[in-house]
Amino acid sequence: AQTVTQSQPEMSVQEAETVTLSCTYDTSENNYYLFWYKQPPSRQMILVIRQEAYKQQNATENRFSVNFQKAAKSFSLKISDSQLGDTAMYFCAFMKLTSGDDKIIFGKGTRLHILP
Amino acid sequence: DGGITQSPKYLFRKEGQNVTLSCEQNLNHDAMYWYRQDPGQGLRLIYYSQIVNDFQKGDIAEGYSVSREKKESFPLTVTSAQKNPTAFYLCASRQGRWTNNQPQHFGDGTRLSIL
Repeated sequence: AQTVTQSQPEMSVQEAETVTLSCTYDTSENNYYLFWYKQPPSRQMILVIRQEAYKQQNATENRFSVNFQKAAKSFSLKISDSQLGDTAMYFCAFMKLTSGDDKIIFGKGTRLHILP
Repeated sequence: DGGITQSPKYLFRKEGQNVTLSCEQNLNHDAMYWYRQDPGQGLRLIYYSQIVNDFQKGDIAEGYSVSREKKESFPLTVTSAQKNPTAFYLCASRQGRWTNNQPQHFGDGTRLSIL
């Protein structure tokens, strides 16, 4: 069974700093997708970024980028020039590609505080 | 606008009572999901459905039941067998099998509390 581990329950950084959230996963699959979701205090789940395991290039979305290390089964999220609006829970998620299985596994989340 | 609608936003349950949480989507998505969120636990999968009239248990299905009679609807019933139902419940949908790079879309959630 796949598992997703986020080892940092909570983090705080100053506004404009860069912060990295860690995520590791355990799977025997070779083809899969990884996602980072953001959940602000409103509790709405918002997709931040996604990565296909077969792609070597790390995904980027504006200030958000990932460091995907397939061999190490690591998928960290880097937020550059952090803003107050980045304050939220961040969840890492895994989905395998084979068999059309739509099951998605989430980590327990990292609560990120951006301090003014 | 397309999206996922969960209702009600807040729900209260008496001891021994079954309650049903509604989830409707107009995104024409095949797959739908129910998650439970507790502090420090992240999102835990209760049930998911990849197609109409079919659904699978997730990691914490005990005390819950679902149906998928229509593509756009995936109601979750919290039965009296669920001894600790107080939580935030999130419904999600996605385009479905064979489109694995598509992310989930989430509703705004239902907060269930015990009276």
